[in-house]
Amino acid sequence: DAKTTQPPSMDCAEGRAANLPCNHSTISGNEYVYWYRQIHSQGPQYIIHGLKNNETNEMASLIITEDRKSSTLILPHATLRDTAVYYCIVRALYNQGGKLIFGQGTELSVKP
Amino acid sequence: GAVVSQHPSRVICKSGTSVKIECRSLDFQATTMFWYRQFPKQSLMLMATSNEGSKATYEQGVEKDKFLINHASLTLSTLTVTSAHPEDSSFYICSARGDGGGTDTQYFGPGTRLTVL
Repeated sequence: DAKTTQPPSMDCAEGRAANLPCNHSTISGNEYVYWYRQIHSQGPQYIIHGLKNNETNEMASLIITEDRKSSTLILPHATLRDTAVYYCIVRALYNQGGKLIFGQGTELSVKP
Repeated sequence: GAVVSQHPSRVICKSGTSVKIECRSLDFQATTMFWYRQFPKQSLMLMATSNEGSKATYEQGVEKDKFLINHASLTLSTLTVTSAHPEDSSFYICSARGDGGGTDTQYFGPGTRLTVL
């Protein structure tokens, strides 16, 4: 699977948008970009995923660049409960069973 | 999203004993389940992948005789840590994926914290 690069930590003010970047310059054409988050001492929570088009759901928006080499997860109005480690993962659909391999992620701290 | 449960949520055992952790997909059939381990301040590390009715595939460096995985049904997988030792103390997290092939989203359980004394 392609590797991803994320900043180790970010801060965001409560109520503001949190924009979390991810680089995946070696992504292949059949690989999706997945975002999960992990709140302390819990299992990861699925947020969103996409292939090449921008995606939006009730939790977040995912913006993928045209060349697919990077993406940004946007939490439009961050709350204190959004404090977590956010993982950007590129997943091969069928190769190796489509495993999710976690990197170090970005630790987002939402501050009052 | 789909719900995955784990039991127990926390277990403390003596060194040398075996511990079984259950993982269930509550509202979907999971043809593939994954087991991860997470040490403090570290990311999740994939241990093994199991398909219903088949033997698990272990990641490099994971001892298959120590971490026994059974995926006997489409809603249940178990991880047994045999002859546990203090270094096996960790946060174990299971994950399940439906039968849409490689495109289905993978959902995670809440994790089991194992402490070996």
